[in-house]
Amino acid sequence: TQLLEQSPQFLSIQEGENLTVYCNSSSVFSSLQWYRQEPGEGPVLLVTVVTGGEVKKLKRLTFQFGDARKDSSLHITAAQPGDTGLYLCASATGTASKLTFGTGTRLQVTL
Amino acid sequence: NAGVTQTPKFRILKIGQSMTLQCAQDMNHNYMYWYRQDPGMGLKLIYYSVGAGITDKGEVPNGYNVSRSTTEDFPLRLELAAPSQTSVYFCASRSPALSGNTIYFGEGSWLTVV
Repeated sequence: TQLLEQSPQFLSIQEGENLTVYCNSSSVFSSLQWYRQEPGEGPVLLVTVVTGGEVKKLKRLTFQFGDARKDSSLHITAAQPGDTGLYLCASATGTASKLTFGTGTRLQVTL
Repeated sequence: NAGVTQTPKFRILKIGQSMTLQCAQDMNHNYMYWYRQDPGMGLKLIYYSVGAGITDKGEVPNGYNVSRSTTEDFPLRLELAAPSQTSVYFCASRSPALSGNTIYFGEGSWLTVV
């Protein structure tokens, strides 16, 4: 089973600050997904990255896939309280696309 | 759109009791999954199914059983509940025909074993 390590585990910042969350593995990802999970809900897909070096933007969120496809980062610009949640990276394996999840980064954005 | 529906939302079990978590999806997805999430952690795969009549073990299957008699339903059975099974359980589904491997999750079932 591929292990995905996320850092930091916890992040508490003020509104307007920037932050970066990391997802690393010793194995090569075929693709990588980022999810956000809010309290009391299931994870919701934010983005899928497939190509090494790929950069995708989703409003204030920028996702980058490492050139060697072993790591990924999520950068949030000018964080807002609505960004609060658990951010999970995940890699799909096998024909059934079984997801292996990272350990998660819990983000809290305060006013 | 209902999507993935899980019941019950909350349940308290005594050690040794059994129960079934229900999961239904109305998107005609072939692939369905059960995950558990312990506090502050990522999700771990319990069982999955690629179609009616086909199930397979995930990373943490011990203490659980599943069945897939229809495309829509994928119930998870807990036999002889143990405190270690206290967790939040998420059911998910996906269509192999969709690009981007989008998986849709239910809202979760909170289970406490005391």
